[in-house]
Amino acid sequence: GQQLNQSPQSMFIQEGEDVSMNCTSSSIFNTWLWYKQDPGEGPVLLIALYKAGELTSNGRLTAQFGITRKDSFLNISASIPSDVGIYFCAGQLARGQNFVFGPGTRLSVLP
Amino acid sequence: NAGVTQTPKFQVLKTGQSMTLQCAQDMNHNSMYWYRQDPGMGLRLIYYSASEGTTDKGEVPNGYNVSRLNKREFSLRLESAAPSQTSVYFCASSEQITRGALSPLHFGNGTRLTVT
Repeated sequence: GQQLNQSPQSMFIQEGEDVSMNCTSSSIFNTWLWYKQDPGEGPVLLIALYKAGELTSNGRLTAQFGITRKDSFLNISASIPSDVGIYFCAGQLARGQNFVFGPGTRLSVLP
Repeated sequence: NAGVTQTPKFQVLKTGQSMTLQCAQDMNHNSMYWYRQDPGMGLRLIYYSASEGTTDKGEVPNGYNVSRLNKREFSLRLESAAPSQTSVYFCASSEQITRGALSPLHFGNGTRLTVT
């Protein structure tokens, strides 16, 4: 099936640092989603992107729909302990198709 | 507003046993999904139901069956559980925004299944 790649797989950062992660594919997507999953819970939507080049913010989070439509980026500014979790990207290849998910980036924030 | 509710939260089965995972959503969404989550593999689609009365296979359907009981409820059944089905199972729902474009998925909190 279609694969999405996420990098890095995991990261350890100090509280207060900024974080960048990305999601890439060899195929073109028409929708990108970013989710966060806390331990023992289901993924929760952070940001949805629908147009190439779109830049959308949600508090300290900013995500961009790559101009090539093959990638997306998520940035977290001034990280705090509650940012700990797994961040998933998901994309919809074309209308009528289901979302596919990346393997996730596990974020740890050190005090 | 409860969103997507899954039961049970935890389950331990012996190989060969059967069970049904229940899912209900109160957002009036047309589409519902079952995913499994395994370490390092993200979420993989098992089955989905684009609308009431229809079900289709996803990426990893073998060993599972589903029933779209009504618009609210979508159940996943394991007829003869195997250790390879040890996983966390998530139900999700979404709505079609325009022709073929889906709204983001809303997830339940998962069922953690262990098959020994």
